[in-house]
Amino acid sequence: KAGVTQTPRYLIKTRGQQVTLSCSPISGHRSVSWYQQTPGQGLQFLFEYFSETQRNKGNFPGRFSGRQFSNSRSEMNVSTLELGDSALYLCASSLPGTSGNYNEQFFGPGTRLTVL
Amino acid sequence: DAKTTQPNSMESNEEEPVHLPCNHSTISGTDYIHWYRQLPSQGPEYVIHGLTSNVNNRMASLAIAEDRKSSTLILHRATLRDAAVYYCILRDPRYGGSQGNLIFGKGTKLSVKP
Repeated sequence: KAGVTQTPRYLIKTRGQQVTLSCSPISGHRSVSWYQQTPGQGLQFLFEYFSETQRNKGNFPGRFSGRQFSNSRSEMNVSTLELGDSALYLCASSLPGTSGNYNEQFFGPGTRLTVL
Repeated sequence: DAKTTQPNSMESNEEEPVHLPCNHSTISGTDYIHWYRQLPSQGPEYVIHGLTSNVNNRMASLAIAEDRKSSTLILHRATLRDAAVYYCILRDPRYGGSQGNLIFGKGTKLSVKP
């Protein structure tokens, strides 16, 4: 079974630009989450999507947004890039959980974004 | 989510057992204890999880204290490939519909010497 794929793997942008990152979950997984990883803040949750609906959001400014398509693929967008947005952006997918049950998250390799 | 405390780093020799501790003194009765690890230049990967009883899988064992205020991830024979950052995370499965927001701490960086 193919793993979570993220494109592109590396990206260089300049301040003020916007960027769109893509994530393809494991086949059959309908929940997709996004995380930002930086040396200073570590791994931080951005948002989670399930069935094309955002159902959880972390503490990030509105410049960070995302969406999920009917095939469960997800994109995240960052507008008006700042230097501090340089990070590894990780996507994770999982089977939808039910109350009382937990399904492990499978992470992709990440997209390394550098903002100059 | 309740907070966990882990040592910043640990060292081990190859083929020896490794015990990675995690303190979670404010754990609630419904919190599960999860461990993920992140190998260099990769995304995190699931290792193991448990509630009260000790758990074993092909990767590791999880020993949970009787009062559940601490737990230990056990790698029975460390290999060079086990060098990674190990994260101990608490999750409440009552919110099974919203499982995506894992709260990662700083984790423990494990170094394995040949």
